[in-house]
Amino acid sequence: AQKVTQAQTEISVVEKEDVTLDCVYETRDTTYYLFWYKQPPSGELVFLIRRNSFDEQNEISGRYSWNFQKSTSSFNFTITASQVVDSAVYFCALSEIYNFNKFYFGSGTKLNVKP
Amino acid sequence: DGGITQSPKYLFRKEGQNVTLSCEQNLNHDAMYWYRQDPGQGLRLIYYSQIVNDFQKGDIAEGYSVSREKKESFPLTVTSAQKNPTAFYLCASSISDSSNSPLHFGNGTRLTVT
Repeated sequence: AQKVTQAQTEISVVEKEDVTLDCVYETRDTTYYLFWYKQPPSGELVFLIRRNSFDEQNEISGRYSWNFQKSTSSFNFTITASQVVDSAVYFCALSEIYNFNKFYFGSGTKLNVKP
Repeated sequence: DGGITQSPKYLFRKEGQNVTLSCEQNLNHDAMYWYRQDPGQGLRLIYYSQIVNDFQKGDIAEGYSVSREKKESFPLTVTSAQKNPTAFYLCASSISDSSNSPLHFGNGTRLTVT
């Protein structure tokens, strides 16, 4: 069974629109970590955020915000007032405390922001 | 600046040839990883290493080999036994072998085998 599911394969928006990228995860561990990474066309994955399973507070960083809900096993990522530079593939990942060398990555969501 | 360097960026090989992808880091990280990325499939773990002279197979290790003779270096060899070697390969490292350490990635090597 897939540990991390990103059901949205590709999303296209017009600049300044808000967009939410969905991430649903599956784990039996009570302690785990969730991550979001951005992969621009250059190819390198850039770390955006880490969240542990005990911290359900939403986080905001500039135009980025993350909504973590354990009840629905979701860790969604919202970009407010999107910009062309936000165009990239975004990956959600899960790390479990007892299997910590294995990061389970979702299949990624490609975001196209058009001017 | 600290980071992970992968070389070359693009690599072309004939079928049946072994090829080695380079990965060097100057972040002083203990753990290093190799991932393979195929379109629409996310990242899949090939091998990882927690310390020098030790490494473990990931989910898709068949047809690949690695070495970890130095902390800074973790080269990946794609052997002729790998049935579908054409892919984008990403090397990563983390500060420690714990679940809360984010991965730091290199720019990747795109391998094409014909």
